[in-house]
Amino acid sequence: ETGVTQTPRHLVMGMTNKKSLKCEQHLGHNAMYWYKQSAKKPLELMFVYSLEERVENNSVPSRFSPECPNSSHLFLHLHTLQPEDSALYLCASSQSSGGSYNEQFFGPGTRLTVL
Amino acid sequence: GQNIDQPTEMTATEGAIVQINCTYQTSGFNGLFWYQQHAGEAPTFLSYNVLDGLEEKGRFSSFLSRSKGYSYLLLKELQMKDSASYLCAVLDSNYQLIWGAGTKLIIKP
Repeated sequence: ETGVTQTPRHLVMGMTNKKSLKCEQHLGHNAMYWYKQSAKKPLELMFVYSLEERVENNSVPSRFSPECPNSSHLFLHLHTLQPEDSALYLCASSQSSGGSYNEQFFGPGTRLTVL
Repeated sequence: GQNIDQPTEMTATEGAIVQINCTYQTSGFNGLFWYQQHAGEAPTFLSYNVLDGLEEKGRFSSFLSRSKGYSYLLLKELQMKDSASYLCAVLDSNYQLIWGAGTKLIIKP
């Protein structure tokens, strides 16, 4: 496997379900990101793990909870979601070093539908 | 507030040239990115500008004017495979990426 992989690619869930999205990066990067992409809207940064420190967007509802067990793996745990949470969820990684910034590499995304 | 503006959709003809504009208002500036995203696929990096001027990379070029808060992506010799969304993103003073909503480019034969 190369680059950034995400599973599952498609997920349909009910509002009472609990599910998890998985992301794995094979690039040796030290920062990982979760984004939400809705149609015709800007990418919305949800969570960042950089150098093992978590930075989050305070507007993200608590029904989304991230987990980053190591620098290569990132999870997004979902519970009691709402239909408006239906979107494409993208994972990305980058190499973060003090004072400089490198481009982000994205996974193919998980298309989530909440019924 | 922080804002990135780019046209929602553009149409161009195969073999022609198209310019996709992006204007931004952000708290600080540490560079501007362009990404390409084909339908159902991941965004992929195209270019990064941090200084004023034109950066050329094959058929694609990206221009930046920091004083005007303006960038454009220029695509030459358009091919059908260039049909995609093009995302503009600015790195602000906190090194946070602020994204535009993307421009959907439709190429017609």
